[in-house]
Amino acid sequence: GQQLNQSPQSMFIQEGEDVSMNCTSSSIFNTWLWYKQDPGEGPVLLIALYKAGELTSNGRLTAQFGITRKDSFLNISASIPSDVGIYFCAGRTLPTANFGNEKLTFGTGTRLTIIP
Amino acid sequence: SQTIHQWPATLVQPVGSPLSLECTVEGTSNPNLYWYRQAAGRGLQLLFYSVGIGQISSEVPQNLSASRPQDRQFILSSKKLLLSDSGFYLCAWSVGRLDTQYFGPGTRLTVL
Repeated sequence: GQQLNQSPQSMFIQEGEDVSMNCTSSSIFNTWLWYKQDPGEGPVLLIALYKAGELTSNGRLTAQFGITRKDSFLNISASIPSDVGIYFCAGRTLPTANFGNEKLTFGTGTRLTIIP
Repeated sequence: SQTIHQWPATLVQPVGSPLSLECTVEGTSNPNLYWYRQAAGRGLQLLFYSVGIGQISSEVPQNLSASRPQDRQFILSSKKLLLSDSGFYLCAWSVGRLDTQYFGPGTRLTVL
């Protein structure tokens, strides 16, 4: 089945630094989503991308849908303490006879820690 | 606006006991509904999804089952819990052909 490779697995940064993480796939995706999960809570949608090459911002967050349709990145500028958490990418491939249109594939997550 | 509820928030159950987790969605009709499990520090594993009442698709073999008795209600069950069933269970919804899924607050299950 599809796999999403998310990197890095964890990041330790100082407040104010910029952050970059990415997801790659061996399959073509036609939707990329980025979520953030705080401890003990459900993931919250940050950015949704629907077109190859699309670059979308949400405050200090910027995400891009790779032109090859096989990757996406998320950047966070000037990190602050509330950015701490686990970031997940998720994507949907083109539908096939054996795959429901409604399912997403999730990356394994990037754990962001801010060092005081 | 749409909201999604899960209960209970936390649950501690002995091995071999039954399980029933409930998820309800408000503010939308005919949503797609999903159950995920997340082991500690790990990613999300899709367990079940449903595109309508009584329609359940299972992703992985396990001792869990799901049911959708009403349009906006999704239930995760087990007749006998295993230690390996411990984890954080998340319900999510999406609408129509849109891919964006929205998650509930989750249920932390500990099987002892």
